[in-house]
Amino acid sequence: AQTVTQSQPEMSVQEAETVTLSCTYDTSESDYYLFWYKQPPSRQMILVIRQEAYKQQNATENRFSVNFQKAAKSFSLKISDSQLGDAAMYFCAYRSDYGGATNKLIFGTGTLLAVQP
Amino acid sequence: EAQVTQNPRYLITVTGKKLTVTCSQNMNHEYMSWYRQDPGLGLRQIYYSMNVEVTDKGDVPEGYKVSRKEKRNFPLILESPSPNQTSLYFCASSSWSGGVREETQYFGPGTRLLVL
Repeated sequence: AQTVTQSQPEMSVQEAETVTLSCTYDTSESDYYLFWYKQPPSRQMILVIRQEAYKQQNATENRFSVNFQKAAKSFSLKISDSQLGDAAMYFCAYRSDYGGATNKLIFGTGTLLAVQP
Repeated sequence: EAQVTQNPRYLITVTGKKLTVTCSQNMNHEYMSWYRQDPGLGLRQIYYSMNVEVTDKGDVPEGYKVSRKEKRNFPLILESPSPNQTSLYFCASSSWSGGVREETQYFGPGTRLLVL
């Protein structure tokens, strides 16, 4: 079974600085998707960025980028120029792309990010 | 506006009193799913549905029921709630048509449930 591990329960960053959130996963599959979701105090789940495993190029969305290391099964999220609105819980998630699989997302336990002014 | 809605958003109930949390999506999605979120555990899938009248268990289905009589609705039923079902619940949907699965899932706003 696949698992997702986020080893940093909490992190803190100064406004305008850069922070990297870690995520590792375990799978025997070769085709899958990886996601980072943001959960602000409103509790809404917001998709930040996604990465297809077959793509070697790291995904980027404005100030958010990932470092995807398939062989190491690592998927970290880098937030540049951190803003107060980035303060939230961040979840890493895995979804199999195996033909017989469902759309189930497997989530890590989350990293709570605080942004200091 | 494309969205997933859940009702109620907050609910306090007592042990054993049946309740239903509704979920509705307006995107004509085939796939719908329920997750629960607990501190230190992330989100875990309870049940999912791949289309009308097609449902199956997720990772933590005990104590829950679902139904999918219409494509847009996927209610979560707790027939005899217990305190260990106190949690934050999310409904999600995505497109799954002709064997092609959309990678993005759309989440509802969440329902916070407290069982006393």
